[in-house]
Amino acid sequence: GEEVAQTPKHLVRGEGQKAKLYCAPIKGHSYVFWYQQVLKNEFKFLISFQNENVFDETGMPKERFSAKCLPNSPCSLEIQATKLEDSAVYFCASSQFRHNEQFFGPGTRLTVL
Amino acid sequence: KNEVEQSPQNLTAQEGEFITINCSYSVGISALHWLQQHPGGGIVSLFMLSSGKKKHGRLIATINIQEKHSSLHITASHPRDSAVYICAVRGGATNKLIFGTGTLLAVQP
Repeated sequence: GEEVAQTPKHLVRGEGQKAKLYCAPIKGHSYVFWYQQVLKNEFKFLISFQNENVFDETGMPKERFSAKCLPNSPCSLEIQATKLEDSAVYFCASSQFRHNEQFFGPGTRLTVL
Repeated sequence: KNEVEQSPQNLTAQEGEFITINCSYSVGISALHWLQQHPGGGIVSLFMLSSGKKKHGRLIATINIQEKHSSLHITASHPRDSAVYICAVRGGATNKLIFGTGTLLAVQP
């Protein structure tokens, strides 16, 4: 597609439940990035992929967070056993090549109660 | 201290005013991005630059690599420019973005 698509738009989970977020990058884009926006303006990088390979995972809380980008499927970000502090907006972005402009999806707002 | 600092944090302007938002960074970068986040939450990429100056409509972005500083200018501001403007830098080794804390701009009619 011409835009980065993210689903769902909103997700509500009870503490301890699993959350799974999806991202479809722009067609032809090789790189996918996940960012977490906590509060209003605090962005944190989580992980990036080059096609289906993890490119940089230095921002991922390894214990409960995992992510995949499989061929012919949307990329996914999964949080096992969600905690209150996981409440945030999760943005996915894609770029055609490594150093190109990144285009952002609309985000998924995760609320953990 | 944050690796990317923006100023001011909040800015209120009257319609028609010339606006400047500043960004300073302390890390080596391969590019700097200016992003706009609307009240609804969507993020739009305004500029990506690694040297000099870029212009798009009423928006101008400049960067000084030696001084590790960038500015975003809005000429003839309009209420529809009201949004959060975010500076983000991309490091040389990886292509992840490091974000500033944003500038909340309100343009009053």
